[in-house]
Amino acid sequence: KAGVTQTPRYLIKTRGQQVTLSCSPISGHRSVSWYQQTPGQGLQFLFEYFSETQRNKGNFPGRFSGRQFSNSRSEMNVSTLELGDSALYLCASSFGLQETQYFGPGTRLLVL
Amino acid sequence: GENVEQHPSTLSVQEGDSAVIKCTYSDSASNYFPWYKQELGKRPQLIIDIRSNVGEKKDQRIAVTLNKTAKHFSLHITETQPEDSAVYFCAARRGNKLVFGAGTILRVKS
Repeated sequence: KAGVTQTPRYLIKTRGQQVTLSCSPISGHRSVSWYQQTPGQGLQFLFEYFSETQRNKGNFPGRFSGRQFSNSRSEMNVSTLELGDSALYLCASSFGLQETQYFGPGTRLLVL
Repeated sequence: GENVEQHPSTLSVQEGDSAVIKCTYSDSASNYFPWYKQELGKRPQLIIDIRSNVGEKKDQRIAVTLNKTAKHFSLHITETQPEDSAVYFCAARRGNKLVFGAGTILRVKS
């Protein structure tokens, strides 16, 4: 089976812009979770989607949003980018809720 | 909510020695504890996991132990090799939410 894929792999944006990241889960997996990874804060949970519904949300401002499509692919959007949003954004897929999560390679976002 | 503390933050061992990383969680309702290994520039990869109804699990040179009473779990790597050098993350799950520790940088010196 192909693993979790994320696009794009690298992204450079400027403050105030918005960005959309994409995640394709492992075939058959219906749950997608998003995490932000930074050197100072580690791996922080953003949100989780299952069957096109957000099931869980971390402590991030409303500028961070996401959605899931009927084919389980997921996107996350960050509006009004800030310098502090520079990070590696990882998605992880699992067969269902409360199942083992497998990570994608991440999208490295740099905000200038 | 759940909070996971991980120690040590860095660990250097000689090739062939054992390495132990410990994590403590706060929510007694947490029931699933995975460990991930992340090499530089790569994705976190699941190396072993344990559920709350099991006290210990082994997979070749890797083992995880869980003490539910004390609310801590540990990763044990025996006969370490240079390729074990990476950042290791523990995590605890309560319900749908997976909370990660801050990570341990393991360096295996040859």
